[in-house]
Amino acid sequence: GDSVTQTEGLVTLTEGLPVMLNCTYQTIYSNPFLFWYVQHLNESPRLLLKSFTDNKRTEHQGFHATLHKSSSSFHLQKSSAQLSDSALYYCALSEGNYAQGLTFGLGTRVSVFP
Amino acid sequence: AQTIHQWPVAEIKAVGSPLSLGCTIKGKSSPNLYWYWQATGGTLQQLFYSITVGQVESVVQLNLSASRPKDDQFILSTEKLLLSHSGFYLCAWRTGLGSYAEQFFGPGTRLTVL
Repeated sequence: GDSVTQTEGLVTLTEGLPVMLNCTYQTIYSNPFLFWYVQHLNESPRLLLKSFTDNKRTEHQGFHATLHKSSSSFHLQKSSAQLSDSALYYCALSEGNYAQGLTFGLGTRVSVFP
Repeated sequence: AQTIHQWPVAEIKAVGSPLSLGCTIKGKSSPNLYWYWQATGGTLQQLFYSITVGQVESVVQLNLSASRPKDDQFILSTEKLLLSHSGFYLCAWRTGLGSYAEQFFGPGTRLTVL
């Protein structure tokens, strides 16, 4: 079945430095839809950004990601991390059977320090 | 605007006791509804989904069951709780019929099994 891989379990960095979270996926569906969700402490996940267009950069709230179908990747980046970016980040894939919910990766916890 | 409500907010239960968690969505007709489970700091595991009243599909059961008695209501239950059932239970819905549809999460129910 479909799967999403996030290689980093924990990312720690200093405020102001760039951050990149890796996401790769596997699917038999030729037109995958990829999502990034963010979950702050004691909150539920909320959508950060999404894409289905190959090689097109998608941006929201200072974060950006580009879907690369050739490498099955959808990495999340930000040029300058803020303390408020400390959270759990999930990459997710929408399967061809859209009735079923999104498939999530294991998540990457980001901790930003002053 | 659509709103999603989950009850209870938190629950502490004994091993072997029954459980019933509820989810209601207002402002959306015939939504696709989902139950997810999140172990502390863990990934979002989809449990069940439902596209219409009376119809529920299982993704991962974990000794739980789900029902959709009304168009706007989704129930998660078990007759006997296990320690492994502890975690954060999230109800979610999708905005439309299509793989690009966003998925929104409710506020969640935090369950502790002792």
